[in-house]
Amino acid sequence: GESVGLHLPTLSVQEGDNSIINCAYSNSASDYFIWYKQESGKGPQFIIDIRSNMDKRQGQRVTVLLNKTVKHLSLQIAATQPGDSAVYFCAETFPYGGSQGNLIFGKGTKLSVKP
Amino acid sequence: EPEVTQTPSHQVTQMGQEVILRCVPISNHLYFYWYRQILGQKVEFLVSFYNNEISEKSEIFDDQFSVERPDGSNFTLKIRSTKLEDSAMYFCASSVRDSQLLAKNIQYFGAGTRLSVL
Repeated sequence: GESVGLHLPTLSVQEGDNSIINCAYSNSASDYFIWYKQESGKGPQFIIDIRSNMDKRQGQRVTVLLNKTVKHLSLQIAATQPGDSAVYFCAETFPYGGSQGNLIFGKGTKLSVKP
Repeated sequence: EPEVTQTPSHQVTQMGQEVILRCVPISNHLYFYWYRQILGQKVEFLVSFYNNEISEKSEIFDDQFSVERPDGSNFTLKIRSTKLEDSAMYFCASSVRDSQLLAKNIQYFGAGTRLSVL
């Protein structure tokens, strides 16, 4: 079961370094994945997505890698900036079949960027 | 840039009272969702809504919860008789399915309503 009062994993990086945030997803049938960024007091903000027929996708300063064999997702942020400090969530969904695409969120990782 | 808006930002209520949380999804979106996030925990799915009816709901979404799209712009979540454990951030989200890439379903979230049940 899940623990109450979850303690988030924390990643602390120096400004300008690259960050790698990892996520293990739960459902092998999931075929679409999204990374969200959540700043304090705000809602989740879309960063990048990837479908299961891809293993890598790049955006502006961000790259998502998908390893379906081990059900693992990672988010790489290049040249991390103080504004990147937030909690990062991966989310999975399987829009086909009975599901209407509701997101299943992971536990989140707190990224702290030191100036 | 279009965004999902939620009101109020903070709602304080007494246990047993009814609350209505309001959302205005992005105007051309067709799919609407409610999620909640208890302090310090992960975001949890409550309900999805499409074509004026509930598409899917989680175990959390029991008979005390209901959703409605009363007009062409608003999407509401009602909790009939609030309990202490309903205290959480409630997020509304909306999406438009890509007709060519049906698997693509980016959900855009509002800033949330913090519900405090005393």
